[in-house]
Amino acid sequence: DTAVSQTPKYLVTQMGNDKSIKCEQNLGHDTMYWYKQDSKKFLKIMFSYNNKELIINETVPNRFSPKSPDKAHLNLHINSLELGDSAVYFCASSLFSGGYGYTFGSGTRLTVV
Amino acid sequence: KQEVTQIPAALSVPEGENLVLNCSFTDSAIYNLQWFRQDPGKGLTSLLLIQSSQREQTSGRLNASLDKSSGRSTLYIAASQPGDSATYLCAGNGETSGSRLTFGEGTQLTVNP
Repeated sequence: DTAVSQTPKYLVTQMGNDKSIKCEQNLGHDTMYWYKQDSKKFLKIMFSYNNKELIINETVPNRFSPKSPDKAHLNLHINSLELGDSAVYFCASSLFSGGYGYTFGSGTRLTVV
Repeated sequence: KQEVTQIPAALSVPEGENLVLNCSFTDSAIYNLQWFRQDPGKGLTSLLLIQSSQREQTSGRLNASLDKSSGRSTLYIAASQPGDSATYLCAGNGETSGSRLTFGEGTQLTVNP
């Protein structure tokens, strides 16, 4: 059973398009995250939700909008995609907002052409 | 604001060698320090988690230590194997960051047969 699953695994799209990445966790964790790994392999947090409530919103363009319909799901919608959005996006979850038991999904490689 | 630095950026060793990866962080009010492994094109696998009240954790050939006063953690890998080749990431969260993990840039390890 996959603990944190995200789809799709690969996404190739043209500039200006709108796309979504979905994430689901079956660990019973309260907190979910989106991290971005850039071309230099540096991982940085984008958003965090705790029990469907947004608790971390780093400085990202407002073209990125997370949505959490319930505490097991956190989706990421991106409007008007740009070349610079190309990266690997990782979903993660943890116990409580203290960050215990961090578990990452396998990542979505987004390529904007 | 927490900053995490990893040294060296890359390391190449012959099989069987014992090695140490270094991680330093700026905020000593750290809750958790985690070591992850990332294989090329894959997600992150949690290796060891050291909570703030602990000084070290061991799993098989891996041992991680945490010294909050000096702002340092080390990952010791004994009797390295070619299968250990991967990027090793250090990440911490703490009082100033809440649940968000701040990552170092990683150490790319190659173990040569």
